[in-house]
Amino acid sequence: QVQLVESGGGVVQPGRSLRLSCAASGFTFSSYGMHWVRQTPGKGLEWVAVIWYDGTDKYYADSVKGRCTISRDNSKNTLYLQMNTLRVEDTAVYFCARDRYSPTISYELDVWGQGTTVTVSS
Amino acid sequence: DIQMTQSPSSLSASVGDRVTITCQASQDIGNYLNWYQQKPGKAPKLLIYRASNLETGVPPRFSGSESETDFTLTISSLQPEDIATYYCQQFNNLPPITFGQGTRLEIK
Repeated sequence: QVQLVESGGGVVQPGRSLRLSCAASGFTFSSYGMHWVRQTPGKGLEWVAVIWYDGTDKYYADSVKGRCTISRDNSKNTLYLQMNTLRVEDTAVYFCARDRYSPTISYELDVWGQGTTVTVSS
Repeated sequence: DIQMTQSPSSLSASVGDRVTITCQASQDIGNYLNWYQQKPGKAPKLLIYRASNLETGVPPRFSGSESETDFTLTISSLQPEDIATYYCQQFNNLPPITFGQGTRLEIK
């Protein structure tokens, strides 16, 4: 079945880096745009970044621009989020999600992973 | 950025009740609005896309409508399995896409 599985979360000190992964299965990963969305108790759901099906275009939320990089390896059916210079306010559950249309981006997120937790704390 | 004001923040209703949740956009977003359902400990699930289109597999008791910058999610007859938090999400004037603050729905 269609599935997304995130990994790579953990506890990290402020200023450090972390790379999240999202393994896709059950669909043609290379045909779909992909998103990262995070969730905190205080701020709810916050969109983080999107990457086109072929990796040619990427967009970021202002809150992570310059510190995070979204990428993908279509040969491995895997999406990534490299997070640098982490801040306490980056603490959240991070979800990867599929964009419902192929190959265009619709910003309608129809498949989500279960999430991976990132805690930034000294 | 476009702001989405969702109301109420929480709601208690009885099984069989008609439930309405609203989202107001800070500016015109056309019909570029989706609704998601999130159950505790789970990921969000797409319910309604483009304001009024029911996602495949979603029960027909869910519906969405729009009136200018006001959007409504309606559950025609609340069922116990509908207990969740509901979020609206706009995707006009990108990026970023933005979510409403959420509506926590409980059974009375």
